[in-house]
Amino acid sequence: GQNIDQPTEMTATEGAIVQINCTYQTSGFNGLFWYQQHAGEAPTFLSYNVLDGLEEKGRFSSFLSRSKGYSYLLLKELQMKDSASYLCAVLDSNYQLIWGAGTKLIIKP
Amino acid sequence: GAVVSQHPSWVICKSGTSVKIECRSLDFQATTMFWYRQFPKQSLMLMATSNEGSKATYEQGVEKDKFLINHASLTLSTLTVTSAHPEDSSFYICSARSATGTMVEEQFFGPGTRLTVL
Repeated sequence: GQNIDQPTEMTATEGAIVQINCTYQTSGFNGLFWYQQHAGEAPTFLSYNVLDGLEEKGRFSSFLSRSKGYSYLLLKELQMKDSASYLCAVLDSNYQLIWGAGTKLIIKP
Repeated sequence: GAVVSQHPSWVICKSGTSVKIECRSLDFQATTMFWYRQFPKQSLMLMATSNEGSKATYEQGVEKDKFLINHASLTLSTLTVTSAHPEDSSFYICSARSATGTMVEEQFFGPGTRLTVL
């Protein structure tokens, strides 16, 4: 079966750095996505990785290791508005998105 | 980026009634639209994939006669929840994929519709 694992909840302090991990086992791989979802809202696109390595975009970076079936989202200089759920999703061989359950990130002052 | 709208943004209805949710791509043509359902504190669950001009493909466990999907044009797909029951109360989200590519970076999400069935 297809499976994506990420921590249910994480807590971090404003101004700090947090890393959210995601491991996956899917039938085929055509890329991994990170989305941010605030409560009651639809997901918004953060990043897309299809090759191994680190992709940096402002305060957010995403890393992928295909051989390990592993990715992480790194958030720097945390702000209160970063409090949200972060969803890891893998595009499988049928170009279908397989979603993780999401990691709820709580930012404390 | 491309914009996808959903209407209504929230709806409350009585048990047994039908509710129609519209998903529109406002500034691009979408050959494929996706309908998701999300229960509180859970991840997105794909319900069906809708291609313009053809029948929708439903995920396992999703009743096609209960969740009617129509994708009549390249900018509009509708989801009708027929004979809604309280257990259908959920957050319904659509997304649209551009006709010009296959990367899901080009899949844009609507703002979602919160359905509450009394």
